[in-house]
Amino acid sequence: QKEVEQDPGPLSVPEGAIVSLNCTYSNSAFQYFMWYRQYSRKGPELLMYTYSSGNKEDGRFTAQVDKSSKYISLFIRDSQPSDSATYLCACSEYNTDKLIFGTGTRLQVFP
Amino acid sequence: EAQVTQNPRYLITVTGKKLTVTCSQNMNHEYMSWYRQDPGLGLRQIYYSMNVEVTDKGDVPEGYKVSRKEKRNFPLILESPSPNQTSLYFCANSYTGGISYEQYFGPGTRLTVT
Repeated sequence: QKEVEQDPGPLSVPEGAIVSLNCTYSNSAFQYFMWYRQYSRKGPELLMYTYSSGNKEDGRFTAQVDKSSKYISLFIRDSQPSDSATYLCACSEYNTDKLIFGTGTRLQVFP
Repeated sequence: EAQVTQNPRYLITVTGKKLTVTCSQNMNHEYMSWYRQDPGLGLRQIYYSMNVEVTDKGDVPEGYKVSRKEKRNFPLILESPSPNQTSLYFCANSYTGGISYEQYFGPGTRLTVT
C-alpha cells in the first residue's frame, strides 16, 4: 500500500462546477499537507499548505484535512478552463523536508 | 523574482557515462530537494538537504548522489546512469517559518539514458 493514495482521474467537469480532489494517507505521523498544481510540461506549483487538521481557504481554493480519517481534500469553486492541470497532494512529517506525493489527479474543465 | 534553475533542461546520454544536473536557487532557502517524475508513479523524492553539508535519502536514492557545499546549489550526480533512470527530474527549494511554508520547483530536466 502506498503511503499516499490519489485517484489519477481524469476528472472532467464543466466550467463553473465545484471540484473535489481527494487523497488518503496511511502514516499517522504526517503533520503537513500540501496541494500542488502542475500544468503540462511545467514544474509543480505549491497551491495550498496546511499544518495538522482543519480548513484553509485561499480565493476559490479550500484545503481540508481530516486526520481522524487520514483524508485530505482540495475544493475548487467556480472552476475555470485555466484550472485544467494535474493536481498533486503531498504529506510530510514534522521537522523534515521528506515529502511523499500522491500520483496526481488530472483535471479538465471544459467551457 | 524567486527562481530555481536547472541545467541542462534536456539531456540524452548513454549508459555508464557520468553526468551532473545542476540546481541553483536565488532565495537563500535552507531546504532543497531532488525529485523524479514518472508516468503512473507520480513525483518521488530522491534526496533532500536541510542545510549545507546535510543531506538525506528520499524514497528512491539508489544510483544517485548529491552534494550541498553551499546554500545556493544542489547538484544531482549520476555516476553510472542506466536506462531505468530515464525520467523527468525536478529540483525544488523550500522554507518553513512557523505556520508559513514556501516551496518552488525548477522547470525540470528531461533525461534519456540509452
